[in-house]
Amino acid sequence: ELKVEQNPLFLSMQEGKNYTIYCNYSTTSDRLYWYRQDPGKSLESLFVLLSNGAVKQEGRLMASLDTKARLSTLHITAAVHDLSATYFCAVPLRGGSTLGRLYFGRGTQLTVWP
Amino acid sequence: GAVVSQHPSRVICKSGTSVKIECRSLDFQATTMFWYRQFPKQSLMLMATSNEGSKATYEQGVEKDKFLINHASLTLSTLTVTSAHPEDSSFYICSALTMEYEQYFGPGTRLTVT
Repeated sequence: ELKVEQNPLFLSMQEGKNYTIYCNYSTTSDRLYWYRQDPGKSLESLFVLLSNGAVKQEGRLMASLDTKARLSTLHITAAVHDLSATYFCAVPLRGGSTLGRLYFGRGTQLTVWP
Repeated sequence: GAVVSQHPSRVICKSGTSVKIECRSLDFQATTMFWYRQFPKQSLMLMATSNEGSKATYEQGVEKDKFLINHASLTLSTLTVTSAHPEDSSFYICSALTMEYEQYFGPGTRLTVT
């Protein structure tokens, strides 16, 4: 059974600080997705990591993927209040004939305070 | 980027009635769409894969007679929750897969069954 574990599940951090969210998964996968969700809203795609060693950056967020360790990280640099949201990682489900089936982690609820 | 819409955004129905949720890809054709449900402050759970012109594929534990899926065209998939009960209350999110296998999420539908 596929497991996708995120930690921490809750993160409260001060503006200007740095922190990393971790996403571990239990099956082999050469790709991983990060999404952001604001309260009551749907998902916004942040990063698609397609290979081992992939690193992508957008603004204050940087994501990386280590397929050998089955680990992805989402690093936050100099956090600002606007980054407050829930962040999900997702891994493709194997089996079946359809690409695109995703298994999500439980999410990390990030709160950035002044 | 590609846009996926859902209708309605919110619906309240009485126990025992059925409710239909539409998912449309507005500016691209999607042979494959997915339906997820999300309980408050929890992760997204894949319910089923909707394939244009064929039967939907349901994930383990999802009742196909309860959650009817129809993918009648390349831009529209519908999810009908039949004989709804309060435990069906949830946030339902669809996503659509482009020909390049990029996945875009709809804004979600909040269903409340009274």
